Amino acid sequence: DIQMTQSPSSLSASVGDRVTITCRASQSIITYVNWFQQKPGKAPKLLIYAASNLQGGVPSRFSGSGSGTDFTLTISNLQPEDFATYYCQQSSSTPLTFGGGTKVEIK
Amino acid sequence: EVQLVESGGGLVQPGGSLRLSCAASGFTVSSNNMNWVRQAPGKGLEWVSIIYSGDSTYYADSVKGRFTISRDNSKNMVYLQMNRLRADDTAVYYCARGGFSRSIDSWGQGTLVTVSS
Repeated sequence: DIQMTQSPSSLSASVGDRVTITCRASQSIITYVNWFQQKPGKAPKLLIYAASNLQGGVPSRFSGSGSGTDFTLTISNLQPEDFATYYCQQSSSTPLTFGGGTKVEIK
Repeated sequence: EVQLVESGGGLVQPGGSLRLSCAASGFTVSSNNMNWVRQAPGKGLEWVSIIYSGDSTYYADSVKGRFTISRDNSKNMVYLQMNRLRADDTAVYYCARGGFSRSIDSWGQGTLVTVSS
């Protein structure tokens, strides 16, 4: 099984900050990584698919990069509605594993 | 508009069974990969199972041999039959549609399964 190691597990940031979350796969997954945002009590929401493709309707301050084993989600100009938990997921092979999550909190 | 509505969750004793249902609208389940993903209270996301548009099915090791995913194309429904339930199966179960690059692009609101005596 492919393990997804996400870091940090939590971070504090201020509105307007640039935030970077990383995910490392235990083996190459080319660009088969997706990023999700989840707010308390709500279902996750797809932000980025295939490492760098912005899902429709997602603000352009969200971006993704990487290939192989190392991937990054960047939120530029953090907004109040961005405080949430973020997950990476690999879709290279089953089981389709998720990272442990990164909780972005208000500083 | 794509919509997924789960039902069938509830309280069940260890060793018991439950069948979750997912009613899809706005698209056809037969043409899409469909997933079940769960989230234990206060924990992260755990992928459970997928049924591909070509009918292949796959499971997480933690549920293999106990859970079965299926779909009814005539009803546009997806199901998760859960047998031999354990306390660590307690979670919110989400039905979710596969998207581009085998991502998950649409999610239901989730249904809570509690396994406890």
